[in-house]
Amino acid sequence: GAVVSQHPSRVICKSGTSVKIECRSLDFQATTMFWYRQFPKQSLMLMATSNEGSKATYEQGVEKDKFLINHASLTLSTLTVTSAHPEDSSFYICSARDMGRGLYEQYFGPGTRLTVT
Amino acid sequence: AQRVTQPEKLLSVFKGAPVELKCNYSYSGSPELFWYVQYSRQRLQLLLRHISRESIKGFTADLNKGETSFHLKKPFAQEEDSAMYYCALYNFNKFYFGSGTKLNVKP
Repeated sequence: GAVVSQHPSRVICKSGTSVKIECRSLDFQATTMFWYRQFPKQSLMLMATSNEGSKATYEQGVEKDKFLINHASLTLSTLTVTSAHPEDSSFYICSARDMGRGLYEQYFGPGTRLTVT
Repeated sequence: AQRVTQPEKLLSVFKGAPVELKCNYSYSGSPELFWYVQYSRQRLQLLLRHISRESIKGFTADLNKGETSFHLKKPFAQEEDSAMYYCALYNFNKFYFGSGTKLNVKP
C-alpha cells in the first residue's frame, strides 16, 4: 500500500511552453502533498506544500506564478511549470502524506525529469 | 532556521565493515528526525525515524541533542546497503533534507 505515482516520468518541452506534472496517491487519501526539486547530485529542495481544497504554501524564493500548484482532490495534485525556461530543467519529486498512518508518514513519487530546450 | 548537514558526499566501505553516516542539524526546538534511503533507480523511502527508536535493516540512529547529531550506523555493512541516504528534519508540517551521502559498499 501507500503508492504515489507521477506522470509523466520524463518530459521535454520547448522554452516558453507550459508543462503539467501530476502526482497521485493510488491507495490512500492525501490531504497534504509536497513538491520538491532536485538538482544533480544535490538534495531535495522543498518548493511548496499542497493542501487539498486550499491554496498551496510556497517556500521562500519559489515563484508561485511560475510553479502553479493545484490540489483539487484527495488523490491528485498537479504542478504546472509555466513559460518554462532551460533553468527550470530539473528533477521534480512529489510526496504525499497519508494521515491515516500518522503525522510523519510521507510517500514519494518516482519523480519527473523535465528538460527545457 | 532549521538546517540539516551531511558532511560526506561519498562513503566507501568494505562489506562487513561498520558504517556511520553523519548528520548534524540546527534547530532550536525539539527536532523530529528521519533517515531516508534511495536505492538505485528507485524512489525515496523512509528508513527510520528517531521517535520510534527502531532498527531497520540493521541500521540504527541515535539522536544526540548535545551534539545536535543524528548519525546513522550499521555494525556490518552489506553490498545491498549501497544507496543514497538522506537525513531529514521535520518542522511545522515540512521536511527539510540534507544533501545526502552516497554509501558504496565494496565486496
